Amino acid sequence: EPEVTQTPSHQVTQMGQEVILRCVPISNHLYFYWYRQILGQKVEFLVSFYNNEISEKSEIFDDQFSVERPDGSNFTLKIRSTKLEDSAMYFCASSDEAGGKGEQYFGPGTRLTVT
Amino acid sequence: KNEVEQSPQNLTAQEGEFITINCSYSVGISALHWLQQHPGGGIVSLFMLSSGKKKHGRLIATINIQEKHSSLHITASHPRDSAVYICAVLSYNTDKLIFGTGTRLQVFP
Repeated sequence: EPEVTQTPSHQVTQMGQEVILRCVPISNHLYFYWYRQILGQKVEFLVSFYNNEISEKSEIFDDQFSVERPDGSNFTLKIRSTKLEDSAMYFCASSDEAGGKGEQYFGPGTRLTVT
Repeated sequence: KNEVEQSPQNLTAQEGEFITINCSYSVGISALHWLQQHPGGGIVSLFMLSSGKKKHGRLIATINIQEKHSSLHITASHPRDSAVYICAVLSYNTDKLIFGTGTRLQVFP
């Protein structure tokens, strides 16, 4: 069964460093999402992406964050200058339909630890 | 106040029991998702529904749009059902999922 994959599974970085989290969505999906979950808290929406542009973003997704689909298969989340509070689990998801019409398939997550 | 509220926050059951987890929301929605988060952190989509009822194996999800309420039922619960169950709603006219805080279920043999 097709699945969403994410790399790395765990990333440790120092405050102020740039990190790139990578996701490979399911191949025929067109809608892509990033979510984060701070330890012990609920999952939060970060951004949705379709047709090579951001379709929606949350207030968390500030200028330090960016997303791109560099090669038609990978979908990346970049954090330019990490802060301690960026430590969280980051989940990528993809769907073949948007607007609640399509089920979202989640990747296993990347645990980001900022020290 | 959270836009999506789940109850109970924690639930303990004996194997074989019938389980109900509730979700109430305060915003207009186009769909509601039930998700399962395993102890290792991975998230699996269980159901997506916008009306009525869906069944998959021992799991049943219902939604009442007028009352802004959904329930997830597990029949004949099993220890492998132990996980966090998360309700998430898709706010109307957006592509943004709003998540509940989850219900932690433990099923003992």
